[in-house]
Amino acid sequence: AQTVTQSQPEMSVQEAETVTLSCTYDTSESDYYLFWYKQPPSRQMILVIRQEAYKQQNATENRFSVNFQKAAKSFSLKISDSQLGDAAMYFCAYRQPYGQNFVFGPGTRLSVLP
Amino acid sequence: DTGVSQDPRHKITKRGQNVTFRCDPISEHNRLYWYRQTLGQGPEFLTYFQNEAQLEKSRLLSDRFSAERPKGSFSTLEIQRTEQGDSAMYLCASSLRYEAFFGQGTRLTVV
Repeated sequence: AQTVTQSQPEMSVQEAETVTLSCTYDTSESDYYLFWYKQPPSRQMILVIRQEAYKQQNATENRFSVNFQKAAKSFSLKISDSQLGDAAMYFCAYRQPYGQNFVFGPGTRLSVLP
Repeated sequence: DTGVSQDPRHKITKRGQNVTFRCDPISEHNRLYWYRQTLGQGPEFLTYFQNEAQLEKSRLLSDRFSAERPKGSFSTLEIQRTEQGDSAMYLCASSLRYEAFFGQGTRLTVV
């Protein structure tokens, strides 16, 4: 079974600085999708960024970028120019193609210090 | 259409009672998921529908839990004979291609 691990239960970053959240996963599949979701205190999960495993290029969305290392099964999220609104729980998630369920990691709580 | 809608947002029930939650997905999304989340933890998969067919169920989904998605539109999740351990946030999500879009969840408290 696929598993997702986030080894940092909590992280903090100064406003305007850069922070990297770690994620590793275990799978025997070669084709899959990886995601980072954000869950602010209001608790609605919001997609931050998506990476397709067949793409070598790392995904980028504005201040958010990933470092996808397929051989190492590593998928880290870098947040640049951190803002107070970035404070939230961040979950790494994995999914195989064809609609199978999403497997989530335990999450990293990010605090942004003014 | 503004996203995935869940009802109710909060539910307090006495142990042993039955509860039912509703999820309205984004209208064109054919896939619908139910997850359970306890405080400080990641979502745990419960079940998954593609259109009206329930294609996958977690071992977490005991016989007291049942889910339906009639006509491939909205879905309901029923918990019978609730237990205190059922207290959690129940999240619904829908998907068309890649990512899932989540509702705000239903928080269940069993007293």
